[in-house]
Amino acid sequence: QQKVQQSPESLIVPEGGMASLNCTSSDRNVDYFWWYRQHSGKSPKMLMSIFSNGEKEEGRFTVHLNKASLHTSLHIRDSQPSDSALYLCAASMGNTGKLTFGDGTVLTVKP
Amino acid sequence: EAAVTQSPRSKVAVTGGKVTLSCHQTNNHDYMYWYRQDTGHGLRLIHYSYVADSTEKGDIPDGYKASRPSQENFSLILELASLSQTAVYFCASRTGGAPEQYFGPGTRLTVL
Repeated sequence: QQKVQQSPESLIVPEGGMASLNCTSSDRNVDYFWWYRQHSGKSPKMLMSIFSNGEKEEGRFTVHLNKASLHTSLHIRDSQPSDSALYLCAASMGNTGKLTFGDGTVLTVKP
Repeated sequence: EAAVTQSPRSKVAVTGGKVTLSCHQTNNHDYMYWYRQDTGHGLRLIHYSYVADSTEKGDIPDGYKASRPSQENFSLILELASLSQTAVYFCASRTGGAPEQYFGPGTRLTVL
């Protein structure tokens, strides 16, 4: 069964700083990697997805993917207190689109 | 944005009792999923369905049944609820032509 590992478990960054989160899959059949943000008591909201090698940027968020190592990373620049949340990485494969999630990184942005 | 609703939003059940969680989507999506999330952890897939009247097992199906009576509705059934099934349950849906899943607001289930 595929495993998705995230690191670090928790991260504290100052307001305006850069947050970097990591994720690795154990299964080479992964099609897509997903990054979700989940605020306390809420449902996960998709931030970004990536399926090809390289980098993808949307506003303050940048995602990298290295398919050879099955490693993806999420970088948040100019972090804001509202970015404080649980960040979940997920991998999907095949037509079923089933998601396998990591346990997440808790990001705290200190004003 | 895709609309997925869940009911109830929270429930307290007794050990050994039967619990039914409901999910409804209005976007004509083919796929529907049930996940559970334990405190401080990621989501794990319980059951999913890609067409009405058919369900498939996910990664942790033991102790759960699922039912998809129509394209819009997907239920999760706990025939004999146990303490270990205390969790938040999320339903999600997606169209067959695109990979993104849309999540409902979740149901917090407490089994006493």
